[in-house]
Amino acid sequence: ETGVTQTPRHLVMGMTNKKSLKCEQHLGHNAMYWYKQSAKKPLELMFVYNFKEQTENNSVPSRFSPECPNSSHLFLHLHTLQPEDSALYLCASSSVLDGSEKLFFGSGTQLSVL
Amino acid sequence: GESVGLHLPTLSVQEGDNSIINCAYSNSASDYFIWYKQESGKGPQFIIDIRSNMDKRQGQRVTVLLNKTVKHLSLQIAATQPGDSAVYFCAENIGKAAGNKLTFGGGTRVLVKP
Repeated sequence: ETGVTQTPRHLVMGMTNKKSLKCEQHLGHNAMYWYKQSAKKPLELMFVYNFKEQTENNSVPSRFSPECPNSSHLFLHLHTLQPEDSALYLCASSSVLDGSEKLFFGSGTQLSVL
Repeated sequence: GESVGLHLPTLSVQEGDNSIINCAYSNSASDYFIWYKQESGKGPQFIIDIRSNMDKRQGQRVTVLLNKTVKHLSLQIAATQPGDSAVYFCAENIGKAAGNKLTFGGGTRVLVKP
């Protein structure tokens, strides 16, 4: 158990659906991240939130909309996705204040877009 | 462009032997490197990290070596066990200003033969 919990573990959605991925960290960290892991590419950084403020958007299409209401929770809202968006979406957290650069990952949400 | 890459996509190792996983990086400005292990159905788990002011760091059964001259990173696993079968990723931190930005390599799959 890494202290980072993601729900749901699996999600199947149609291209017209709207769904949300949830991430919660119990580590007292102040930075949270979304990564995309697909079979053909290395782990890709999508978004970074530092103290609830978005500090990085790695050219992610607008059909992915992140939300960080507080330092412990992170959401990824999905709408009108494409089949190529099927992947494992990983949430991570870290503590920026103490200088640590280690990220703690959740188990991910395996997303299939039909 | 700047990237982190792995030399070998799959490594088969006899149980009890030592494993060596290699990684090349190209961003000379990176000063922090980290290795993760990812088992099936799980998110990446931290193994060991190293800063650029060091060339070697040891953990329990694992050693990371950093050669800044040739921009090369390696992970050595001593007495490889069946539980070591997983995909291993190296990553470098390319930005610390407002949240860490770990850039990952493509991963190496380690298969431990009994």
